[in-house]
Amino acid sequence: DGGITQSPKYLFRKEGQNVTLSCEQNLNHDAMYWYRQDPGQGLRLIYYSQIVNDFQKGDIAEGYSVSREKKESFPLTVTSAQKNPTAFYLCASSPGLVNEKLFFGSGTQLSVL
Amino acid sequence: KNQVEQSPQSLIILEGKNCTLQCNYTVSPFSNLRWYKQDTGRGPVSLTIMTFSENTKSNGRYTATLDADTKQSSLHITASQLSDSASYICVVRISTTGTYKYIFGTGTRLKVLA
Repeated sequence: DGGITQSPKYLFRKEGQNVTLSCEQNLNHDAMYWYRQDPGQGLRLIYYSQIVNDFQKGDIAEGYSVSREKKESFPLTVTSAQKNPTAFYLCASSPGLVNEKLFFGSGTQLSVL
Repeated sequence: KNQVEQSPQSLIILEGKNCTLQCNYTVSPFSNLRWYKQDTGRGPVSLTIMTFSENTKSNGRYTATLDADTKQSSLHITASQLSDSASYICVVRISTTGTYKYIFGTGTRLKVLA
């Protein structure tokens, strides 16, 4: 069953702690993305990767880090430098072709304790 | 500034009724426009894609329109069902040589009542 798997579904962060959100896809897609969704706002791009071992900052990359060591995996670390991390985080992938569409995971809700 | 605006922000209708959601965009250069459905606590799922040359496209009870001159799109839902309760997000893709970007609207939250 192909798709994108995000884990965990819910995550709590203590002050000063780094946390990592997992994103795995078995769609053989080249491009992967991390978005942040806040109530009343459109999705905002944190980081994206168009190929293994390469990634680019999105519009709100400060306080976040990523890696792309494997085509299937694109984990996101929310560092202690991100002062307002509470949000719904969505991972997505796309084939990288013309008129491609984004395939989204089911999301991770991150909250601060 | 590249922007996608959706209206209304929220909408409540009775089961079986029709409704139309609006999306206005000011982006350049336009590549395509997609409508996504997002159930609460889930990731968005693509409903339909509209390219520059397409005016109307249907996917079951969903019909999307695009007017490239006025930069407006609409999503019409026919004979609504309880399962249509969700947020509907308009996403415009802009594309230049060697790069592309997605601009997301804030969504319309639809509630269908029995």
